Amino acid sequence: KQEVTQIPAALSVPEGENLVLNCSFTDSAIYNLQWFRQDPGKGLTSLLLIQSSQREQTSGRLNASLDKSSGRSTLYIAASQPGDSATYLCAVLAGNNRKLIWGLGTSLAVNP
Amino acid sequence: EPEVTQTPSHQVTQMGQEVILRCVPISNHLYFYWYRQILGQKVEFLVSFYNNEISEKSEIFDDQFSVERPDGSNFTLKIRSTKLEDSAMYFCASSEQGANTEAFFGQGTRLTVV
Repeated sequence: KQEVTQIPAALSVPEGENLVLNCSFTDSAIYNLQWFRQDPGKGLTSLLLIQSSQREQTSGRLNASLDKSSGRSTLYIAASQPGDSATYLCAVLAGNNRKLIWGLGTSLAVNP
Repeated sequence: EPEVTQTPSHQVTQMGQEVILRCVPISNHLYFYWYRQILGQKVEFLVSFYNNEISEKSEIFDDQFSVERPDGSNFTLKIRSTKLEDSAMYFCASSEQGANTEAFFGQGTRLTVV
């Protein structure tokens, strides 16, 4: 059964730091992996999608990598800003009917 | 930019009442999903829908739940007799082709059962 784990559960950094969020999954048979952002009590905003055949994707200050064989993905945030404060979720698309299986998220606080 | 819209944003209902959560997926998308997130827990898959029928449903999606695409634009989730444990954020999502394409999510409906 596919399980997704995110480390750390929470992170607090000063503004301007570069940081790395980690996601691991137990079964390498995935179609893709998505990183999402969730603000408190709000919806899910897709940040990056990495197909199973890809190694990384970049969008602005965000870079996500995927190592399918080891079951790991990282989300790198460069030059963090207070507006980056949110919970970051990773989810893998897996299974015969291609549903997303989610981690619990990393709660990020970027302090001015 | 096209987006998935959900209504209402917040619904409070009494235990045992029926609720209908509404979603308008992105217009050219073919695959539709409902997920839920109980406070402090992981987002959980409920059901996927394609070609006017359920593709897959989780063990959570029992006989109290149903989905419908009543017209060309809306996608609804009905809970027939709500329980306290149904209180959660419900997210609708759609994707263009299902496999290997990005899922876009609505802003969610917060359901509170009292």
